[in-house]
Amino acid sequence: AQSVAQPEDQVNVAEGNPLTVKCTYSVSGNPYLFWYVQYPNRGLQFLLKYITGDNLVKGSYGFEAEFNKSQTSFHLKKPSALVSDSALYFCAVRDGNTDKLIFGTGTRLQVFP
Amino acid sequence: DSGVTQTPKHLITATGQRVTLRCSPRSGDLSVYWYQQSLDQGLQFLIQYYNGEERAKGNILERFSAQQFPDLHSELNLSSLELGDSALYFCASSEPRGGEAFFGQGTRLTVV
Repeated sequence: AQSVAQPEDQVNVAEGNPLTVKCTYSVSGNPYLFWYVQYPNRGLQFLLKYITGDNLVKGSYGFEAEFNKSQTSFHLKKPSALVSDSALYFCAVRDGNTDKLIFGTGTRLQVFP
Repeated sequence: DSGVTQTPKHLITATGQRVTLRCSPRSGDLSVYWYQQSLDQGLQFLIQYYNGEERAKGNILERFSAQQFPDLHSELNLSSLELGDSALYFCASSEPRGGEAFFGQGTRLTVV
C-alpha cells in the first residue's frame, strides 16, 4: 500500500534561515509525490509535485523539493524562510490505481522573526 | 482561487440530524474526492468519484454517503450525526489521470 510519513510534528526556524520539512514515502512502482500547504481556516494549496524527471522540483512561493529514490524521501526546502511561511504542510502520494491522494500527518512550520 | 467550490462554508447542527455538503469541481475535472480533517486525525480520505461512478472508498462511515451527478458536482450526505463528526470536510478535484488535486475551502461542520 502507498503511504507517506512526516516524522516531525513541528519545525521551528528563524526568519531568513533555510528550512526543511521532511517526508518519506513507501510505494510500489513509480512514486507521484506532492506537497500542499494549509493556512489557518483555509483549504489546501498545491505547492509542487514530482512525477518524473529532475530530482529537484521547484514550486510556488520559492519552495522546492528534492526527490531521493535511494532514501525514499521527498523533503520540502526553502533557502530563506519568511514569517508568512508559517502554516501546516502536507506531503502526499498518489495511489496508482485510483488517483486518490494519500496524505501524511502534516508538519506545522513556525517561522520566528 | 482553486476553482473548486464548496457550500456551505459553515454548518452547525444537532446530534441525530442529517446534512448535505455540496461540491462543484473545477471545469473539466472528472474526479472528485472527499476528505475529513479533524484535529486529532489529520486528513482522512473518505471517498472518490470519477465521472459519476464510485472509484475508491476510504474510511467512510456507513452513516455517510456520497454521489456525483451528471453535471459532475458532488454531494456528501452525513446522517445520524454525532459529536465526533465535527470536522472540516474538504472536496478536491483533478483531471483524468491528472497530477495534482485542487481543494475547495472546506465546510466546517459543528455538531452540538
